[in-house]
Amino acid sequence: GAGVSQTPSNKVTEKGKYVELRCDPISGHTALYWYRQSLGQGPEFLIYFQGTGAADDSGLPNDRFFAVRPEGSVSTLKIQRTERGDSAVYLCASSLMRRENTEAFFGQGTRLTVV
Amino acid sequence: AQSVSQHNHHVILSEAASLELGCNYSYGGTVNLFWYVQYPGQHLQLLLKYFSGDPLVKGIKGFEAEFIKSKFSFNLRKPSVQWSDTAEYFCAVNAPRDSNYQLIWGAGTKLIIKP
Repeated sequence: GAGVSQTPSNKVTEKGKYVELRCDPISGHTALYWYRQSLGQGPEFLIYFQGTGAADDSGLPNDRFFAVRPEGSVSTLKIQRTERGDSAVYLCASSLMRRENTEAFFGQGTRLTVV
Repeated sequence: AQSVSQHNHHVILSEAASLELGCNYSYGGTVNLFWYVQYPGQHLQLLLKYFSGDPLVKGIKGFEAEFIKSKFSFNLRKPSVQWSDTAEYFCAVNAPRDSNYQLIWGAGTKLIIKP
């Protein structure tokens, strides 16, 4: 596609449930990032993939959060036993390579609401 | 730890007014600096970026930003705003030396332009 695609755009789930959020990056982009944006704040880094491997998962808040990118393209962020505090917009970004001066392109995000 | 401060959370201006949005970061080493914009209902887009060279950077849509190293600042400016500039603006930083290039974000400034 022309840009980074994230699905679903909105997700409402009950506390304790499991959710999966999908990111389809720009074709050919090897670097993929997940960020989380809570209300009134800027995005916070969660995890970075270079190809298929999670090169940096230091931003994942706890072990309920996990992400995969099995074929080096589409990525799925998985959240187990969701809590109300997980409610946020989850952003995915991709770039051609992982360098500091390479522009990252963002998707529109998935708004997750845990009730 | 690095941090980014955006001093104004909400700014309201009339069309044709001049704009300056403040951004300060805390990090003593080499940094790369970015301004992103998010129009209502759209994804984050890069407005401009600074890596090295001329500290006055010009971006899209008539925006510019000036890197002042001594003040740890990267303020965004536009001489004459338009109604279509209504959006949320985010300043972001990465520091190649001791990060993994993920962006550290300010909390954002919501800009409303009155027609």
